Amino acid sequence: DIQMTQSPSSLSAPVGDRVTITCRASQGISTFLNWYQQKPGKAPKLLIYAVSSLQSGVPSRFSGSGSGTEFTLTISSLQPEDFATYYCQERYNTLMYTFGQGTKLEIK
Amino acid sequence: DVQLVESGGGLIQPGGSLRLSCAASGFTVSDTYMSWVRQAPGKGLEWVSDVYRSGSTYYADSVRGRFTISRDDSKNTVYLQMNSLRVDDTAVYYCARVEFTLGCFDSWGQGTLVTVSS
Repeated sequence: DIQMTQSPSSLSAPVGDRVTITCRASQGISTFLNWYQQKPGKAPKLLIYAVSSLQSGVPSRFSGSGSGTEFTLTISSLQPEDFATYYCQERYNTLMYTFGQGTKLEIK
Repeated sequence: DVQLVESGGGLIQPGGSLRLSCAASGFTVSDTYMSWVRQAPGKGLEWVSDVYRSGSTYYADSVRGRFTISRDDSKNTVYLQMNSLRVDDTAVYYCARVEFTLGCFDSWGQGTLVTVSS
């Protein structure tokens, strides 16, 4: 099975900062890498699909990049509403999906 | 608008059974792929099960043989029958629509909490 490892597990940053979250796969996953945002008590929300494509309605300060086994989610200028937990997810094997363990982004 | 509404969660004793429902609107479940994803308290997300357009079903190793996903096209609803429940099945269970080509979950329900405890 593919393992997905996110770093850091938690992150504290002030409004306006540029933040990067990394997701590493235990093997190559092509472009089957997606990112979600989850706020407390709420369902996850799809932010980015296929490594770098922004889901409709997601602000352009969010971006994704990477290939092979290493991927990043970048928020160019943190806004108050961005403080949440972020998860990466792979679907290289069509019979299952794996999520990263999550990165909790907190206000500094 | 796409909407997914889960129901059926609750408190159940270990070894018991529960059936979750996911009522969809704004699209047709038989035309797409649907999943259940769960989240234990304070933990991350774990994929549980898929039902494909074809009706084929798939399960995580942790629930295979105990859980059954199904679909009622006349009600536009997806179900998760959970048997032989264990304490570690305690979680919020989310229903999600799958964008199969991209392998992502593009719409989610609000979730329903299942607590397995004696």
